[in-house]
Amino acid sequence: ETGVTQTPRHLVMGMTNKKSLKCEQHLGHNAMYWYKQSAKKPLELMFVYNFKEQTENNSVPSRFSPECPNSSHLFLHLHTLQPEDSALYLCASSQDSAGGYEQYFGPGTRLTVT
Amino acid sequence: QKEVEQDPGPLSVPEGAIVSLNCTYSNSAFQYFMWYRQYSRKGPELLMYTYSSGNKEDGRFTAQVDKSSKYISLFIRDSQPSDSATYLCAMSGKTSYDKVIFGPGTSLSVIP
Repeated sequence: ETGVTQTPRHLVMGMTNKKSLKCEQHLGHNAMYWYKQSAKKPLELMFVYNFKEQTENNSVPSRFSPECPNSSHLFLHLHTLQPEDSALYLCASSQDSAGGYEQYFGPGTRLTVT
Repeated sequence: QKEVEQDPGPLSVPEGAIVSLNCTYSNSAFQYFMWYRQYSRKGPELLMYTYSSGNKEDGRFTAQVDKSSKYISLFIRDSQPSDSATYLCAMSGKTSYDKVIFGPGTSLSVIP
């Protein structure tokens, strides 16, 4: 595996379900990011981790819970989501958060909340 | 006023044309300016970044920054059908730790 991988690629979940998104980077980077991409809207930064420490929480609702066990892995735990949370969730990494201008993205997880 | 504005298109051009993609911004503190390309069902891919003003060229792609006008451009020469994608501009502040702000993207189609 190379670059940034994300699983699953597609996810359909009900509003009462609990699921997790996984991101793994194979670039030796130390910063990882979660973004939300909705149709016709700019990417919205959700969370930033730098050397496993959360450095940014962009006022994200608590139904989204990130976890970064090490610099290579990032999870986004989901519970009691709303239909408006349906979107493409993108993970990215950079050398560290000082290098945020050079981010490498995964392919995303397409989430549909029913 | 939005921090970063970008015409969503769609923009359709014939193969071989020169394409000009543009963004305007309101925050004079932005110092890093990036262009990403996003193919359908893929994540964004960094094309190039520039720091402060000036031009940067990489193959068929040229990025220009005009900080006095708060305007950035990406030019694509000899456009190819494989250039058909959504192009996102992005920028961040004077310290490289600053959050990156993305534009909504311009959809480009290059017709053979």
